[in-house]
Amino acid sequence: GEDVEQSLFLSVREGDSSVINCTYTDSSSTYLYWYKQEPGAGLQLLTYIFSNMDMKQDQRLTVLLNKKDKHLSLRIADTQTGDSAIYFCAETLNQAGTALIFGKGTTLSVSS
Amino acid sequence: SQTIHQWPATLVQPVGSPLSLECTVEGTSNPNLYWYRQAAGRGLQLLFYSVGIGQISSEVPQNLSASRPQDRQFILSSKKLLLSDSGFYLCAWRDTYTGDSAYTFGSGTRLTVV
Repeated sequence: GEDVEQSLFLSVREGDSSVINCTYTDSSSTYLYWYKQEPGAGLQLLTYIFSNMDMKQDQRLTVLLNKKDKHLSLRIADTQTGDSAIYFCAETLNQAGTALIFGKGTTLSVSS
Repeated sequence: SQTIHQWPATLVQPVGSPLSLECTVEGTSNPNLYWYRQAAGRGLQLLFYSVGIGQISSEVPQNLSASRPQDRQFILSSKKLLLSDSGFYLCAWRDTYTGDSAYTFGSGTRLTVV
């Protein structure tokens, strides 16, 4: 079945790099996604990567994809207190109208 | 432009009362539509998806139902709410014509059943 796994918590100091890891199961996912949810708010798309890519960089964000191991990671460089939020990894499930299937989310806490 | 509207933003309902949450999409046709729920301190769970008018698929057996009476309207309902229905409900859509990889989420409805 489909399942997306993430570690639940990550704590870093301001200025350090944060790395959030995710494993997924559906190898047919065309894209893999990272979403951010700030407290009390909805979902914000951070970035996504096409499944035939290994890496995608977008300013402070770097996404690495290991398709063989079905492992996705999000690296945030120079982490700021404003980056404190819940980060969700998601794959697509073709059998469900290409719905996004989310992990439980990683709560990133950034201390100054 | 393409937008998604979801209302109400917050709702407090007594146990046993009915529920109707509405989501509408503008600027596209024949989108795939989705309802998700986020229970307190938990991840996002796919509840329903729809690939066309009147076509609803449920991912999780529950006290809720969904309908799509028009192409760009998706409604989440319950005849009698339970305490366990409390949570943050999100509507989302995906453009099926352009093949755009992006999914757009509404701003969500925070439902508290008391």
